[in-house]
Amino acid sequence: AQRVTQPEKLLSVFKGAPVELKCNYSYSGSPELFWYVQYSRQRLQLLLRHISRESIKGFTADLNKGETSFHLKKPFAQEEDSAMYYCALSNSGYALNFGKGTSLLVTP
Amino acid sequence: KAGVTQTPRYLIKTRGQQVTLSCSPISGHRSVSWYQQTPGQGLQFLFEYFSETQRNKGNFPGRFSGRQFSNSRSEMNVSTLELGDSALYLCASREGLQAYEQYFGPGTRLTVT
Repeated sequence: AQRVTQPEKLLSVFKGAPVELKCNYSYSGSPELFWYVQYSRQRLQLLLRHISRESIKGFTADLNKGETSFHLKKPFAQEEDSAMYYCALSNSGYALNFGKGTSLLVTP
Repeated sequence: KAGVTQTPRYLIKTRGQQVTLSCSPISGHRSVSWYQQTPGQGLQFLFEYFSETQRNKGNFPGRFSGRQFSNSRSEMNVSTLELGDSALYLCASREGLQAYEQYFGPGTRLTVT
């Protein structure tokens, strides 16, 4: 069965500090993994897709199949990064299976 | 292009009633998915429609149903409402079943009393 785990409900960091939001998954096949973000009063939106391997807003995420992890990282957090972050898994174009989300708070 | 729209934005219903929520996808998008978001369970997939056919279904009781029209607009219906159905219902659209990015609407907040 597919499962996405985000162990931290809330993560608080200071501005300029590195940030890592953890995501672990269980899936027997070759999953597609995503990070979605929801800023205050905005819609849920795609941040990153593991296949694209790009950096968006300074965030990167590497798929580690051995550890079944897809952690989201940013070297220097900004206040505007404060948001709810969801890790999600998809099986070959099928529906998204979301983790329960991590609320990131970046304080000045 | 206009984003995904959902109506109504807020609803209050009584236990036992039924409710219909509506979703208009981004123009040109043919796939519509529905998700339920609650504080306890997070975001859970309800179902996905493509070309007026249900393609995927999550683990929800039969009280939850949906449909899609020829213009790709979608509705979901919940019958015999229970208190636990109180949630934010999100609709998402994508161009097709192989498109990876889903575009979410603002949601419909349903409160069951």
